[in-house]
Formats: sequence, C-alpha cells, structure tokens
Amino acid sequence: AQKITQTQPGMFVQEKEAVTLDCTYDTSDPSYGLFWYKQPSSGEMIFLIYQGSYDQQNATEGRYSLNFQKARKSANLVISASQLGDSAMYFCAMRASNTGNQFYFGTGTSLTVIP
Amino acid sequence: DAGVIQSPRHEVTEMGQEVTLRCKPISGHNSLFWYRQTMMRGLELLIYFNNNVPIDDSGMPEDRFSAKMPNASFSTLKIQPSEPRDSAVYFCASSLSGRNTEAFFGQGTRLTVV
Repeated sequence: AQKITQTQPGMFVQEKEAVTLDCTYDTSDPSYGLFWYKQPSSGEMIFLIYQGSYDQQNATEGRYSLNFQKARKSANLVISASQLGDSAMYFCAMRASNTGNQFYFGTGTSLTVIP
Repeated sequence: DAGVIQSPRHEVTEMGQEVTLRCKPISGHNSLFWYRQTMMRGLELLIYFNNNVPIDDSGMPEDRFSAKMPNASFSTLKIQPSEPRDSAVYFCASSLSGRNTEAFFGQGTRLTVV
C-alpha cells in the first residue's frame, strides 16, 4: 500500500528565512511521482511542484525546491525567503503506476510565517 | 479553460435530506477524484474514476454515499440521507492519467448538515 507521512503538524518561520517541510513516502513501485500542494486559509488547493522518481535533479519552481532523497524515500519541500503569504497548509502527495495512478495525500503541515 | 468547476459552493441542509454535489472536470482530463476534508480526518479520497469508470471506491464511507460519472464532463456525489457528521468540504479534482501529472482541484463545496 502507498503511504505518505508528514510528521510536522505545525511549523513557524521568520519572514525572509528558509523553511523545510518534511515528507516521507512508502511504495513498492519504482515509477511514481511526488507533488506538493498549498492550501491557504481561503481553501483552494494550489499545485506547487512535482518530482518524478526517475528525475536525476531536484525539482525547483521559483522559491520552491524539492529535496528528493530516493534512498531515504523522502521528498522535503524547501521554501526560500519566506513571505507572509506563504502561511498556509502544505500537503505532500504521491501518485504511483502500480495503484492505478491514484493520488495519496499526507496529513499536511501548517506553516506560519512570522513578520 | 475555466478549471474544475464545482457546484454548489456552499450547501446547508437538514439531516435526512438528499444532497447532490456536482463537478465539471477540465476538458480532456480522464481522471477524476472526489475528496472530503475535515479537521479531524484531513483529506480523504472517496472515489477515483478513470475514463468515467470507478476504479477505487474504497474510501466511500457507507452506502449513503454514491458517485456517478455519466460522461467525461460531469460527475456527481450524492449523499442520501445526509447526517451531521457528513459536514465537511468536498473537493473534486481532475487530471490526465499518468504518474507525472498533477491534479487540478475545484474550489470545493462546503457542506453543512444541521
């Protein structure tokens, strides 16, 4: 069975600092994708970044980067230069071929950026 | 494209009434997901369709819940009869099939059963 674990229920970061949100996953499928989503207080789910299991380099999208450590089965999200608007829930998700490409989500991490 | 469209955005109903939530996925997407989000249980996958066929409905809580996808551009999630514990935000999401494609979420329907 696929599983996504986010062990940090809540995190605080000072504005302009970097923060790392942890995500570990478990799958027996060598072919999978990892995703991060942001959910601000307004409620919408916003896709941030994707990492494929065969990608050699860590994914980056602006201030977001994904620290992908395949052997450790971790896919941590790094947000650089935090802004007040980054305060939100962040969800890690996985999609694997051997489970029909379903999306499995973690429980989320609530990030608060402090001015 | 207008994105995934859900209706209604808010629904307040009395216990025992039937509730129908609607979803229009992004044109061309062949995967559709229904999720339920609560503070206690987080984001739960209820059902997953691929090419209009239900692939996994193991997350559907009980027989009171049913979902249909009669064609590629429309899906419904029905609760009959509704109960207060069904109060939650229900999200519909669509995507292309394949492990490397993200899901696009609708704005959600906030359901309150009183």
